[in-house]
Amino acid sequence: IQLTQSPSFLSASVGDRVTITCRASQGISNYLAWYQQKPGRAPKLLMYVASALQSGVPSRFSGSGSGTEFTLTISSLQAEDFATYYCQQLNTYPLTFGGGTKVEIK
Amino acid sequence: EVQLLESGGDLVQPGGSLRLSCTASGFTFSACAMTWVRQAPGKGLEWVSVISGSGSTTFYADSVQGRFTISRDNSENTVYLQMNSLRADDTAVYYCARPISETLQYSGVKYWGQGTLVTVSS
Repeated sequence: IQLTQSPSFLSASVGDRVTITCRASQGISNYLAWYQQKPGRAPKLLMYVASALQSGVPSRFSGSGSGTEFTLTISSLQAEDFATYYCQQLNTYPLTFGGGTKVEIK
Repeated sequence: EVQLLESGGDLVQPGGSLRLSCTASGFTFSACAMTWVRQAPGKGLEWVSVISGSGSTTFYADSVQGRFTISRDNSENTVYLQMNSLRADDTAVYYCARPISETLQYSGVKYWGQGTLVTVSS
């Protein structure tokens, strides 16, 4: 199953609302996770089963979708949110990741 | 506190072999699936393999199927990744990781090691 993230690059300002899309090549129910990765660090789980917020993750992060189209939204971008974001499908082996979305400061 | 500590990364020639290890602590190791994820320099994440808690079930990415073998020793709280017939495009940081729940499918990867670098070059 291929996952296509868009955009691949995003320039935004602190306080902006940001939306990242992940499209699956076939239906994956809601078995999608979102991760945040900063340079030199391991990824951090943000969301699982599309819309469940991982414990400790700020509530400005939210996820939605099912089937083939999913979104990750950051309601008000903070300085610490500048990073690369990845989606991952966990419905079918082999598992796959999207290509990533790099969020940079405008 | 869950801790995952990888080791074994090294410089290896194309066609060579390497075994990565990941020692876990802070949870009931035998109850949890364990997985490997890699990241080539400057590139995105790529899922590599998973093994069930008992070790009886494994899955692999197409890119490593037939060359890599995942295994575990529940008495040592360690998961391994045996990598054979290594190629230049296997060069990456390899992360050992554990899902939120006991199984990886349908969940998400919550706990990650710090990663170990494998470089395949002559």
